[in-house]
Amino acid sequence: DVKVTQSSRYLVKRTGEKVFLECVQDMDHENMFWYRQDPGLGLRLIYFSYDVKMKEKGDIPEGYSVSREKKERFSLILESASTNQTSMYLCASSPSAWGDYGYTFGSGTRLTVV
Amino acid sequence: AQSVTQLGSHVSVSEGALVLLRCNYSSSVPPYLFWYVQYPNQGLQLLLKYTTGATLVKGINGFEAEFKKSETSFHLTKPSAHMSDAAEYFCAVSKRGGKLIFGQGTELSVKP
Repeated sequence: DVKVTQSSRYLVKRTGEKVFLECVQDMDHENMFWYRQDPGLGLRLIYFSYDVKMKEKGDIPEGYSVSREKKERFSLILESASTNQTSMYLCASSPSAWGDYGYTFGSGTRLTVV
Repeated sequence: AQSVTQLGSHVSVSEGALVLLRCNYSSSVPPYLFWYVQYPNQGLQLLLKYTTGATLVKGINGFEAEFKKSETSFHLTKPSAHMSDAAEYFCAVSKRGGKLIFGQGTELSVKP
């Protein structure tokens, strides 16, 4: 089975801190994604990557950046955490750029910014 | 632009009753369609998907969904609800380039 591992299940950070959320997948998938999940809003795409060192903005990239130095690892960076970034963050990967395989998700990181 | 609408943010059924979770999509081309389930404090797990071929798709845990192009719908059903089905369910449609667009989610409660 494909595994997508997010390094932390729960994080508490202070306003203004730089925060790194890590995601690793073990099936050589080229495509990786970061979503945030908020009640009533579903999942919203922050950033995605189709290849190493390649990234594209999703629907809500403001306040975030990403890094993909190796194929298996896709990191989400909150440059200066704010309370409105308190959320559940979900990483996903997919072998297909055409959308037909769907995604495999990690277990999520619940981030609280105080 | 593609979008997904899930009718009802919360659905409650009795154990043993029919489960029906509604999903409508808008798409200018035939889409790929998915249902995911999320148990508390977990990530999303794929229930089933429609890509091509048979419009009635069977998934895990006894769930199935039917792609109806004329109605632009992909409703999720299960004949008999079990307590373990209580979770949040997300419908999604793929966008060009492989990105999934998700609905807002429907929380399913199952009463004993």
